Amino acid sequence: AQSVSQHNHHVILSEAASLELGCNYSYGGTVNLFWYVQYPGQHLQLLLKYFSGDPLVKGIKGFEAEFIKSKFSFNLRKPSVQWSDTAEYFCAVSYTGGFKTIFGAGTRLFVKA
Amino acid sequence: EAGVAQSPRYKIIEKRQSVAFWCNPISGHATLYWYQQILGQGPKLLIQFQNNGVVDDSQLPKDRFSAERLKGVDSTLKIQPAKLEDSAVYLCASSNQGYEQYFGPGTRLTVT
Repeated sequence: AQSVSQHNHHVILSEAASLELGCNYSYGGTVNLFWYVQYPGQHLQLLLKYFSGDPLVKGIKGFEAEFIKSKFSFNLRKPSVQWSDTAEYFCAVSYTGGFKTIFGAGTRLFVKA
Repeated sequence: EAGVAQSPRYKIIEKRQSVAFWCNPISGHATLYWYQQILGQGPKLLIQFQNNGVVDDSQLPKDRFSAERLKGVDSTLKIQPAKLEDSAVYLCASSNQGYEQYFGPGTRLTVT
């Protein structure tokens, strides 16, 4: 079965620290990849997406992610986190030609001021 | 533009009772999704509609869950009868000819 794995369930960082959240997906062909974020008390919203082209994609608020096809990975990065980045982050994959989007279990990030 | 609307925001029921959730997607979005998000887990797709037809309902427990999308616009998700393990947040999302989904605020269901 197709699946998405997020390596860390909880991450605690101090402001200005660098962030990398891991995401791996099971092989299933051509994929579209997403990172969604849910800030406290808010809806899930799209952070960034990859459909094709440059494997390094940039999203909102200084986030970026790199698609490494050989590793089935789509890790999220930010060079310097802020207190306002405290949120839950979800990696999601949809397989081209299929319809279902599969979400990872999420990573809760807490940034200490 | 207005976002995805859901109601109610919270619901508490006893097991074996029934409950219904409503979703109004973003205007013009042909695809509508219902997800179940259990505490500590990511959203799990229950059912996906394209206009008013079902695209995927492989993970919908059809013995107790049902969903409809009349006229290809708003949608209702029903649980009858509810079980304790149905306690979760039920998310509705919509998209327009793409894979980017816009989510509503969710309905938090507690079954006691």
